[in-house]
Amino acid sequence: EPEVTQTPSHQVTQMGQEVILRCVPISNHLYFYWYRQILGQKVEFLVSFYNNEISEKSEIFDDQFSVERPDGSNFTLKIRSTKLEDSAMYFCASSILTGTNEKLFFGSGTQLSVL
Amino acid sequence: DQQVKQNSPSLSVQEGRISILNCDYTNSMFDYFLWYKKYPAEGPTFLISISSIKDKNEDGRFTVFLNKSAKHLSLHIVPSQPGDSAVYFCAASLQGAQKLVFGQGTRLTINP
Repeated sequence: EPEVTQTPSHQVTQMGQEVILRCVPISNHLYFYWYRQILGQKVEFLVSFYNNEISEKSEIFDDQFSVERPDGSNFTLKIRSTKLEDSAMYFCASSILTGTNEKLFFGSGTQLSVL
Repeated sequence: DQQVKQNSPSLSVQEGRISILNCDYTNSMFDYFLWYKKYPAEGPTFLISISSIKDKNEDGRFTVFLNKSAKHLSLHIVPSQPGDSAVYFCAASLQGAQKLVFGQGTRLTINP
């Protein structure tokens, strides 16, 4: 079964450094998402992306965050200057369609630790 | 933001018995509900969903019930198996919106 692939599985960085989290969505999917889960808390929506632009974003997704689809297969999340509170598991997801009655397929996540 | 709530952080059930996981929501505009299962070191995996126009959806051992008037849904697993031990997330979406709103999750443990 096709799957969403995320790299790296773990990323440790110093506060203030830039990080890029990478994802390869399922090949025929058109909608791409980033979610995150801070330890012990809910899975939270960050951003959705379609047709090479952001289609929806949450309050969490401020100017420090950006997303990009640099080629036909990768989807990246960049955090420009990491803060301690950015430490979380970041999940990439993709779907063929969006909206009602459409399920998301999630990757295994990247555990980001900001020291 | 407590739009989707799972009030039981954990649940322990004997193998072979029924597991019932509960979820409450506050936003009456939610029109689609999903359950995801998550094993350690893996991403959430879709389990079953229900549209707001239905009150029940069944898939093998898994059944989801929706009570719109109570803003409540539940996931029934019967019979429960050891492989069902995982964290279960309830999620909801609004028509036209692209994001899912998740509950806090319930850790289900199936005891042999």
